[in-house]
Amino acid sequence: KNEVEQSPQNLTAQEGEFITINCSYSVGISALHWLQQHPGGGIVSLFMLSSGKKKHGRLIATINIQEKHSSLHITASHPRDSAVYICAAEFYTDKLIFGTGTRLQVFP
Amino acid sequence: EPEVTQTPSHQVTQMGQEVILRCVPISNHLYFYWYRQILGQKVEFLVSFYNNEISEKSEIFDDQFSVERPDGSNFTLKIRSTKLEDSAMYFCASPRSSGGGYEQYFGPGTRLTVT
Repeated sequence: KNEVEQSPQNLTAQEGEFITINCSYSVGISALHWLQQHPGGGIVSLFMLSSGKKKHGRLIATINIQEKHSSLHITASHPRDSAVYICAAEFYTDKLIFGTGTRLQVFP
Repeated sequence: EPEVTQTPSHQVTQMGQEVILRCVPISNHLYFYWYRQILGQKVEFLVSFYNNEISEKSEIFDDQFSVERPDGSNFTLKIRSTKLEDSAMYFCASPRSSGGGYEQYFGPGTRLTVT
């Protein structure tokens, strides 16, 4: 069965802290997506990874295909980073299977 | 930045009524998806639509659900007889091929409340 597990479910941090969110999946995938969901509900794509590492501003996403594991890192976290971060695996049928999300709160 | 739009943003309906949720995907995209998110739960796949046909559907997508592309631009999700448990956010998504996978562009969602 195609499954995606995320941890932690909830994360609080002080402004400036380095944050890591982890994601693991059960079987081979074609790509791993990191998404951000704001309180209003809208979903924004942050990264799509099939191998290695990607960086965009203070966000870094990595994936280890052999270990079926991906991480999302936020450097120098800021209160505006507060959101739900979701990993979603793209299996070979192209649909996304979503993790449960990590609710991040960054306090000033 | 490509944009997917959805209407309405919020729909309130009574149990048993039919609702139609609309999506305008990114132009020239052939693949479309509908996902839903029940409050407090994870996002779930409903159906994928390619070249005017359903290509895959989940077990959630029963006979009460249908999808259409009525006029070549809009993409609709119809629920024939709504149930309380259909209350959720419904997202359409339009993927674009990018380096071995498909980058997903999500619409802002329609919040459906069934009373």
